[in-house]
Amino acid sequence: AQTVTQSQPEMSVQEAETVTLSCTYDTSENNYYLFWYKQPPSRQMILVIRQEAYKQQNATENRFSVNFQKAAKSFSLKISDSQLGDTAMYFCAFMNDAGANSKLTFGKGITLSVRP
Amino acid sequence: DGGITQSPKYLFRKEGQNVTLSCEQNLNHDAMYWYRQDPGQGLRLIYYSQIVNDFQKGDIAEGYSVSREKKESFPLTVTSAQKNPTAFYLCASSKTGGYGYTFGSGTRLTVV
Repeated sequence: AQTVTQSQPEMSVQEAETVTLSCTYDTSENNYYLFWYKQPPSRQMILVIRQEAYKQQNATENRFSVNFQKAAKSFSLKISDSQLGDTAMYFCAFMNDAGANSKLTFGKGITLSVRP
Repeated sequence: DGGITQSPKYLFRKEGQNVTLSCEQNLNHDAMYWYRQDPGQGLRLIYYSQIVNDFQKGDIAEGYSVSREKKESFPLTVTSAQKNPTAFYLCASSKTGGYGYTFGSGTRLTVV
């Protein structure tokens, strides 16, 4: 079974600075998908970024980028120019395949606070 | 606009009662999922369904039941057999292709 580990329960960052959230996973699959989801205080889950394991290039979405290290099974999220609206819980998630039996396995999440 | 609607937003249940949480989507997604969220536990999969009239147990299915009679709807029943039902419940849907999920806004269930 796949597992996703987020070892830092909480982090804090000053507004406008950069922060990196860590995530490791365990799988024997070669092709899979990785995600970061954001859950603000409203509790609505929002997809932040998606990475396909067979693509070597790291995904980026505006201020959000990932450092995907397939051999190390590491998938960290970097938030640049942090904003107050980035305050949220962030979940790393793994999907084993794109077919009919695909489902997401989530880490336990990390609470990020952005300080003004 | 397409999306997923969960209702109600807040639900209170007395001990020994069954309650049903609603989840409807108009995204034409084949797959639908129910997750439970507890503090410090992340999201844990209760049930999922890939096609109409078929569903599979997730990691914590005991005390829950589901049905999938229509593509758009995937209701979750929390039965009296669920020993600790107080939690935040999230419904999601997805299309094939590894695109991740679209989530509903959740239901907060409290046992009183």
